[in-house]
Amino acid sequence: EPEVTQTPSHQVTQMGQEVILRCVPISNHLYFYWYRQILGQKVEFLVSFYNNEISEKSEIFDDQFSVERPDGSNFTLKIRSTKLEDSAMYFCANRQEMNTEAFFGQGTRLTVV
Amino acid sequence: EDQVTQSPEALRLQEGESSSLNCSYTVSGLRGLFWYRQDPGKGPEFLFTLYSAGEEKEKERLKATLTKKESFLHITAPKPEDSATYLCAVQQNYGQNFVFGPGTRLSVLP
Repeated sequence: EPEVTQTPSHQVTQMGQEVILRCVPISNHLYFYWYRQILGQKVEFLVSFYNNEISEKSEIFDDQFSVERPDGSNFTLKIRSTKLEDSAMYFCANRQEMNTEAFFGQGTRLTVV
Repeated sequence: EDQVTQSPEALRLQEGESSSLNCSYTVSGLRGLFWYRQDPGKGPEFLFTLYSAGEEKEKERLKATLTKKESFLHITAPKPEDSATYLCAVQQNYGQNFVFGPGTRLSVLP
């Protein structure tokens, strides 16, 4: 069964440093998402990406965040200057069409110290 | 404000003891309601999609139903391997993203 692959599985970074989280989506899927989950809290929407541009973003997704498909296949989330409160699990998700289910990766645990 | 709530927050069952989890939603136009299972430290794993009131979906010991205001996930004769957090998520007609509920943490004791 096709899988969404995320790397790294765990990243520890110092406050103020830049991090890039990577996702290899399922090949024929068109809609891409990033979600995050702070420990013990709900899964929260960050951003959706379709047709090579951001289609929706939440209030969390401020100027410190950006997304890209640098090579037309991989999908990345960059946090420019990390803060302690950015510590969370970050999930990449994608779906084939608007009305279908989304498949999630196993997540990247980001720890900001 | 659009909202998704789930109850109970946590549920402990004995193996074989059937029960139901609830997901209540208030959104202005439902495009779809999704159930996921999440194991500790892992990503959500897709279970079911429901699109309209009255719809039901079944998979092994799980059955999901949908009304205009809520969805139920029925677990029949659960086994310890069904222990996980069950998440409900809704997508509105005018949006692309999902709004997740807080989840129900299910423990099935042998």
